Amino acid sequence: DAGVTQSPTHLIKTRGQHVTLRCSPISGHKSVSWYQQVLGQGPQFIFQYYEKEERGRGNFPDRFSARQFPNYSSELNVNALLLGDSALYLCASSGDRVNSPLHFGNGTRLTVT
Amino acid sequence: KNQVEQSPQSLIILEGKNCTLQCNYTVSPFSNLRWYKQDTGRGPVSLTIMTFSENTKSNGRYTATLDADTKQSSLHITASQLSDSASYICVVTPDAGNMLTFGGGTRLMVKP
Repeated sequence: DAGVTQSPTHLIKTRGQHVTLRCSPISGHKSVSWYQQVLGQGPQFIFQYYEKEERGRGNFPDRFSARQFPNYSSELNVNALLLGDSALYLCASSGDRVNSPLHFGNGTRLTVT
Repeated sequence: KNQVEQSPQSLIILEGKNCTLQCNYTVSPFSNLRWYKQDTGRGPVSLTIMTFSENTKSNGRYTATLDADTKQSSLHITASQLSDSASYICVVTPDAGNMLTFGGGTRLMVKP
């Protein structure tokens, strides 16, 4: 079975541009969440979606947005990129059982120059 | 503000030795506490999940403990192997809401 897949694996953008990151959850998982991980730090929660609805939002500016599609895949969009947006962006999916573990993808490494 | 603090920030041990990583949290009430292993350049992988009523959970050479009274958790690694070199992240899920709180991680290096 395929795990959580993210694309692209690496991306280089310049300040002011926008970026779209994509995530496909494990088959059968309806919950997808996004995290930002700056080098040397733990991940920071950005969004959670369940059944195409936003269920949670972390402390990130409105430049960050996301959506979930009917097939439960998800996109994270970041507008007006700043140098500080350079990070590893992780996507995770989980099942419906209470206390289900998060299954992470290997992330998209975004570099903003 | 919900916080998760991990210590030490980094640790170097010799292959075959044991080690214990610490996690202190202020999230209360909480639903569960998780430990993840993150290899360099990869996504985190779940090691253990404990609800607030559990005191210990094992996964092979990894044993996690939880003291909900003192709001502390530890991850004990027995007979370390070179492949244990990674970052270990403590994550707390609050009882209300979905905003998981991650610790900054402990970077473990196992040397031969």
